[in-house]
Amino acid sequence: GENVEQHPSTLSVQEGDSAVIKCTYSDSASNYFPWYKQELGKGPQLIIDIRSNVGEKKDQRIAVTLNKTAKHFSLHITETQPEDSAVYFCAATDSWGKLQFGAGTQVVVTP
Amino acid sequence: EAGVVQSPRYKIIEKKQPVAFWCNPISGHNTLYWYLQNLGQGPELLIRYENEEAVDDSQLPKDRFSAERLKGVDSTLKIQPAELGDSAVYLCASSHPSGGVGTDTQYFGPGTRLTVL
Repeated sequence: GENVEQHPSTLSVQEGDSAVIKCTYSDSASNYFPWYKQELGKGPQLIIDIRSNVGEKKDQRIAVTLNKTAKHFSLHITETQPEDSAVYFCAATDSWGKLQFGAGTQVVVTP
Repeated sequence: EAGVVQSPRYKIIEKKQPVAFWCNPISGHNTLYWYLQNLGQGPELLIRYENEEAVDDSQLPKDRFSAERLKGVDSTLKIQPAELGDSAVYLCASSHPSGGVGTDTQYFGPGTRLTVL
């Protein structure tokens, strides 16, 4: 089945700096890669997603890149702000269309 | 548009007691998911419904867990009897078919935090 690994587990950045989270997956048939942000006491919220026919997607300060050959994808947050502090999860669909999540990255943005 | 609604938000029970969680998906979303999220981990799928049919329940521990979505709208997840290891957050999500298998955007509810003493 699909195995998604996510790094780092924690990330501390200074406000205004960039943050990068990387994920790898194992199932070459995976074709959908969403990223979720989860704040304390809340459910995961989709922030951006990418499909396998696209290599990069950007939405304001957030961008995601996908390398299908290497089976890895990354989330980039530029000009980080304190409200970006949260746990971020990457995910990938397996051959059955089931979402497999990474273990999460705790991002802390310090003023 | 209202999001996914879950209740209760918190539940504390003693082991061996039953517990039930309720979920109302986003209006018009045919697909409903129940996930388990342990502390410090990502969500793990328990069961997926397409309308009222459970199409993937391979990860649902059927000896103690059950779920239903009788009219294809809201759903209930039950645990009977609860064990200490069941303490976790139970998340409900819903999605609307977008045309591609496994590419539907899933929208999550706030979850129910269960503590088993």
